[in-house]
Amino acid sequence: SQTIHQWPATLVQPVGSPLSLECTVEGTSNPNLYWYRQAAGRGLQLLFYSVGIGQISSEVPQNLSASRPQDRQFILSSKKLLLSDSGFYLCACTEGNSPLHFGNGTRLTVT
Amino acid sequence: RKEVEQDPGPFNVPEGATVAFNCTYSNSASQSFFWYRQDCRKEPKLLMSVYSSGNEDGRFTAQLNRASQYISLLIRDSKLSDSATYLCVVNIRGYSTLTFGKGTMLLVSP
Repeated sequence: SQTIHQWPATLVQPVGSPLSLECTVEGTSNPNLYWYRQAAGRGLQLLFYSVGIGQISSEVPQNLSASRPQDRQFILSSKKLLLSDSGFYLCACTEGNSPLHFGNGTRLTVT
Repeated sequence: RKEVEQDPGPFNVPEGATVAFNCTYSNSASQSFFWYRQDCRKEPKLLMSVYSSGNEDGRFTAQLNRASQYISLLIRDSKLSDSATYLCVVNIRGYSTLTFGKGTMLLVSP
């Protein structure tokens, strides 16, 4: 079965600082990978998804970017964080028709 | 109109109660359906898939009504540990990923 590793679990960053969140997946090959964000009291918002190495689709215009340098590695980045970037960031994967499986998430607070 | 709509709740019920959540979806190209559970400050986890004929998993029963475009989740004999937010999730043909409702919060009290 798939296992998703996300780190760090919590992060506090000042406005204007860079961001790099990493997600790695075990137990699967060529998965579809996703980055979601959940703001406090809000629903899940899809940020990026990838169907293969180097293939990134952006769902929402952001000051964020994503990269997939390896089959089971998905990275979320920002050059300059905004206060509105605070939230719960979730990496997720699917393989074939399997349901979406989430990592433990990173809780980001931008101060 | 939102793709997937749920009553946000919270639903406050005593232990042992039966509680039902409904969810409506607007896109007729929706082809598969799920209920996820999200505990406070945790990631969502798959609770159960929803099949056309309805399906049951212990105290949980899921139903799908394609004609009316709604999905339901019934929880019998509620436990304190059932307290969580329940997310209705739809897979729409042609969409890149699942579409999530905002969730219904359930609070089970002693």
